[in-house]
Order: sequence, then C-alpha cells, then structure tokens
Amino acid sequence: AQSVAQPEDQVNVAEGNPLTVKCTYSVSGNPYLFWYVQYPNRGLQFLLKYITGDNLVKGSYGFEAEFNKSQTSFHLKKPSALVSDSALYFCAVGDAGKSTFGDGTTLTVKP
Amino acid sequence: DADVTQTPRNRITKTGKRIMLECSQTKGHDRMYWYRQDPGLGLRLIYYSFDVKDINKGEISDGYSVSRQAQAKFSLSLESAIPNQTALYFCATKTGDPRDEQFFGPGTRLTVL
Repeated sequence: AQSVAQPEDQVNVAEGNPLTVKCTYSVSGNPYLFWYVQYPNRGLQFLLKYITGDNLVKGSYGFEAEFNKSQTSFHLKKPSALVSDSALYFCAVGDAGKSTFGDGTTLTVKP
Repeated sequence: DADVTQTPRNRITKTGKRIMLECSQTKGHDRMYWYRQDPGLGLRLIYYSFDVKDINKGEISDGYSVSRQAQAKFSLSLESAIPNQTALYFCATKTGDPRDEQFFGPGTRLTVL
C-alpha cells in the first residue's frame, strides 16, 4: 500500500524568504509523486510532479521540488515566497488506479 | 470553459434528504473520482470509476452511491443525508497513465442540517 505524510499542518514564512513544505512517501515500486495547491474556495490545481530522471523538478509559479530516494522525501520549495503563495498544499503519490493524498499543509506568507 | 464542472457549487439540506451532486468533464478521461475534504483530514476517496461499467468503492463509501451515466458524467448521491456528511466534495478526472496528474472540479460545499 502507498502512503504520504506531510508532517507540518502549518508553515509560516515572511515574504521574500525561501520556503519548504515537507512530504515523505512510502510506495512499492517506482514512485510517481505530485504536488497540488488549493486556493480558498477553489479546487486543487496541479503544481509539479516527479516521474523519473532529475531529482529537482520545476513546476508552476516558480515552485520546485526535490526528490530524495534515500530519505523517501519529496519536499516542495521556492527560493522567494510571495504573499500570493498562501494556500493549502497537498502532496500525493499516484498509481494507475488512484492517488493517495497527504493531509495538506497550510502555507502562510506574511508581508 | 472549465474542464471539470460540478453542480451545485453550494447546497444546504436537511437530515434525511436525498442529495445528488453532479460532475461533468470535457477532458476525455476514462477515470473519474469523488473525494470529500474535511479540515485536517485531507482528501478522502469516496468512489472511483475507470469507465462506465467499472465502479469501485473508496475508503469512505458508506452512505454514498454513484452513477456513471457516460464517460463524461459521474454523479454522487447521498441517499439519506446526515450532518457528518457536511463537507467539501470534489470530483476529479485522470488518464490511466500513473504518470499523469488529476484534474479537479471547483468543489461542492454541502451542509446538512
């Protein structure tokens, strides 16, 4: 069975500072890992994914994620946070049938 | 136009009423999913469908039923709504390739009084 953990319910950063939202996973076989973002009163939007290849994956809105196989982690990062990045972020692991989502991390970027 | 649409967007109903939430997609995807979102609990899978004739229960299917009327339409029903079904409900679609992401609708906020 596959699983995903987001150890932080809340992450607070100041605008302009780097941000990291953590995710660890457990899968058998090759991991297909995803990050989604949910803005208030909206559905989830896809940010980026790791399939294979480079461990650093770049996505939308300046976000990137680092895949670390030995630590079974897939942390979301951004070099310089914006207030508009404030949202709920979900990590997910997928297979052909369905995806398993973490519980989400609320990111708050303060001016 | 949005790729995945849900109706209604908001609904308030009373305990014991039958409610149907509808989802339509123009992505051409075979796979469709219903999730509910509760604060602090992330997304929990209710039902999913791989095609019109293939319906599967998710982790929290009790109290819910679904109908896949066509490739593009997937409805969720609450036969007799209860207050703890108050939540945000999302429909999503996906291809059969595990490397592909899901596409989500805007959600339906359901309140059961």
